[in-house]
Amino acid sequence: EVQLVESGGGLVQPGGSLKLSCAASGFRFSDSAIHWVRQAPGKGLEWVGRIRSKPNSYATGYAASVKGRFTISREESTAFLQMNSLKVADTAVYYCVRHVSDTSTGHRFDPWGQGILVTVSS
Amino acid sequence: QPELTQPPSLSGAPGQRVTISCTGSSSNLGAGYGVNWYQQLPGTAPKLLIYDNNNRPSGVPDRFSVSKSGSSASLAITGLQAEDEADYYCQSYDISLSAWVFGGGTKVTVL
Repeated sequence: EVQLVESGGGLVQPGGSLKLSCAASGFRFSDSAIHWVRQAPGKGLEWVGRIRSKPNSYATGYAASVKGRFTISREESTAFLQMNSLKVADTAVYYCVRHVSDTSTGHRFDPWGQGILVTVSS
Repeated sequence: QPELTQPPSLSGAPGQRVTISCTGSSSNLGAGYGVNWYQQLPGTAPKLLIYDNNNRPSGVPDRFSVSKSGSSASLAITGLQAEDEADYYCQSYDISLSAWVFGGGTKVTVL
């Protein structure tokens, strides 16, 4: 079974840092891009960023709202989201998601982890 | 504001058909990028519902279907059931932003 499990969330003060982990199992991890998507309380989904697969040199890309503050990395079968200079507006449930793609049926996010709550508050 | 526009809420009686619109622009849906739809049941993580315009993962009933034209797409749910009560999000890629974008989500209520 393909599975993603996030950990590392919690309460942090504005300006602080936190590192989330996403443990993957059930698929060839190095061949898949991994995305982070967040959902503020009562709000919709917001793409945070991604790290590509090994054949694509593990290239990263970020949403404008987090660029320069958040960094995505990966090793073995785990992806990470390092969050620095956190703001109250970063409070959200953070999901890691596998990117699935093929030439005949395009791109999609599947599956999603269960999500982990990050609260930024003084 | 989300790059893809969806109505905030819709409702329908059991057995009815509801349609959720997703309006984008020339830099995402209008640029030829496919649309994906996700279903988020209360208190759970989103789940892939339909991908690349109108492909369903195994286990998703054919009551769910998608149409796409130009910069817009729509998700139709026919034979609405109580278990369909959830939030639905459309998604595409935006070439101008170099980012994946989501609609704001539509809450479907079964009356």
